[in-house]
Amino acid sequence: DGGITQSPKYLFRKEGQNVTLSCEQNLNHDAMYWYRQDPGQGLRLIYYSQIVNDFQKGDIAEGYSVSREKKESFPLTVTSAQKNPTAFYLCASSHREGTGLGETQYFGPGTRLLVL
Amino acid sequence: GQNIDQPTEMTATEGAIVQINCTYQTSGFNGLFWYQQHAGEAPTFLSYNVLDGLEEKGRFSSFLSRSKGYSYLLLKELQMKDSASYLCAVRDINTDKLIFGTGTRLQVFP
Repeated sequence: DGGITQSPKYLFRKEGQNVTLSCEQNLNHDAMYWYRQDPGQGLRLIYYSQIVNDFQKGDIAEGYSVSREKKESFPLTVTSAQKNPTAFYLCASSHREGTGLGETQYFGPGTRLLVL
Repeated sequence: GQNIDQPTEMTATEGAIVQINCTYQTSGFNGLFWYQQHAGEAPTFLSYNVLDGLEEKGRFSSFLSRSKGYSYLLLKELQMKDSASYLCAVRDINTDKLIFGTGTRLQVFP
């Protein structure tokens, strides 16, 4: 089955530690996105990538980094510079704008990050 | 600026009809999406409107009025499993980003 997978489901981070959240898709989508969800707030965009080897900052990129070396993979690193990392992290993917294939974003199951 | 408003919570009875409203302000509109999100799970796509009018898909329908900056999601024949948060999101034509509302938490009672 085609879909988006995220791992792990739960992740614990110690003070000063970098952690990496995995996102993989086999939908043949060019575009991939990382969002953060906090209680009582809408999804906020961290980083996005429209094509391999290219990515742009979203609205809340500080303290995060990404890479896009393969079309299928878009890992997110939460660095020690992110002072309030506890949140639900959602990865999404879509076809790229202008392909005529529709740009609906489909989401992975999410990773819940907790700080110890 | 960009702003999306939707009610925080709604309740309804099993078998009834409920309408969840969403109003938006954006510098450039390029489509509106509705997602369903059960607690602790990922949002799942429900509907997409880019032109004015009603889109029907089974028990769910979505309406858009671009001149009024207004959309609603209509859920018919409510079932207990419809208890979830419903997210309204607008695509901005200038940035191509999705702007999400805070979501409406719907509770369906027997």
